[in-house]
Amino acid sequence: GAGVSQSPSNKVTEKGKDVELRCDPISGHTALYWYRQSLGQGLEFLIYFQGNSAPDKSGLPSDRFSAERTGGSVSTLTIQRTQQEDSAVYLCASSPQPGTGNYEQYFGPGTRLTVT
Amino acid sequence: DQQVKQNSPSLSVQEGRISILNCDYTNSMFDYFLWYKKYPAEGPTFLISISSIKDKNEDGRFTVFLNKSAKHLSLHIVPSQPGDSAVYFCAAKVSGTYKYIFGTGTRLKVLA
Repeated sequence: GAGVSQSPSNKVTEKGKDVELRCDPISGHTALYWYRQSLGQGLEFLIYFQGNSAPDKSGLPSDRFSAERTGGSVSTLTIQRTQQEDSAVYLCASSPQPGTGNYEQYFGPGTRLTVT
Repeated sequence: DQQVKQNSPSLSVQEGRISILNCDYTNSMFDYFLWYKKYPAEGPTFLISISSIKDKNEDGRFTVFLNKSAKHLSLHIVPSQPGDSAVYFCAAKVSGTYKYIFGTGTRLKVLA
């Protein structure tokens, strides 16, 4: 079946511009995560959506970052007034209904964001 | 404050030998641990996991060991194959949540 997809795969933007990154999770997965990986770093948690619950936004680095998940499916991560330090690979992951004992996350290929 | 640490950024192993990847954590509030493998230009893929109430889980060539008293996790791959060459991340799930903390990764190179 189809995995997690992300678009665009690459994005180059000028400092100060806004960008939107899209994630299509696996159908039926109720949990959706956003992470970012800066050069030489591990995966940094950004935000987590679970069903209709309020998202866990504790990893968002500043108020320039926001995310939405519409209809419990597609998610968009928005970065306003981009800065050079926002350059990273942004990864989206989804996972099945919690409580099933399956904690595995399924990752998309990522969006490489470069802020010039 | 890195709660999940992979102190070896890289590891080289001969084909057929054992690869041992290590992970240390500082928070006792983790209840589940996972290992992921990542190839360049791809997202991480799940390998193996272990509950905090266990000390070992095995799946084929992959075995994960958990030492709770030492707050140490390790992944053993035996025998190692060239296709295992990738970056390996350990991840820990925060108890009572579905939030995961990832390590910085270890790049494994299996030499033919």
